[in-house]
Amino acid sequence: DTAVSQTPKYLVTQMGNDKSIKCEQNLGHDTMYWYKQDSKKFLKIMFSYNNKELIINETVPNRFSPKSPDKAHLNLHINSLELGDSAVYFCASRDINYGYTFGSGTRLTVV
Amino acid sequence: QQQVKQSPQSLIVQKGGISIINCAYENTAFDYFPWYQQFPGKGPALLIAIRPDVSEKKEGRFTISFNKSAKQFSLHIMDSQPGDSATYFCAASIKAAGNKLTFGGGTRVLVKP
Repeated sequence: DTAVSQTPKYLVTQMGNDKSIKCEQNLGHDTMYWYKQDSKKFLKIMFSYNNKELIINETVPNRFSPKSPDKAHLNLHINSLELGDSAVYFCASRDINYGYTFGSGTRLTVV
Repeated sequence: QQQVKQSPQSLIVQKGGISIINCAYENTAFDYFPWYQQFPGKGPALLIAIRPDVSEKKEGRFTISFNKSAKQFSLHIMDSQPGDSATYFCAASIKAAGNKLTFGGGTRVLVKP
């Protein structure tokens, strides 16, 4: 049973399109995150939600909008995709001892 | 401004050898220092973590050494195995600030048989 699952695993789309990535965790954690890993493998936080409330919003273009319908789900919607958005996006959840569980990632390629 | 600097970028070690990865941080408010292991096509997985009131923590073949005054910490992988070949990331966070992880740049480790 996958702890943190993301869909889709791969996403290829044209510039200007709008796309969504879905994330679900079955660990019962209250806090979830989105991280972006660029082509040089550098990982950077984008957003964090705690029990459906936004608690961290890093300097991310407002074309990116997270949505958390409940504490087990954190989705990421991206409007007007640009070439520079190509990256691997990781969803994660965090336990009470501060350990993160990451999903397997969504590789987004904008062409 | 990179708050957590990691070195080396890559490392080749023979099977049975010791892999050593170093990290330095700037923000003295960091109070949680984990290491993550990432295999190709997978997400990072928590390996081991330390808090600043402890100077060393060992779990199996993995040891974190922490030097608070120097603002440095390192990961030692003893008796390195080919299955340890992966990218390793150090990270730091502030528990009271949402515990967002600030990652180092990663070290690609290759263990030769």
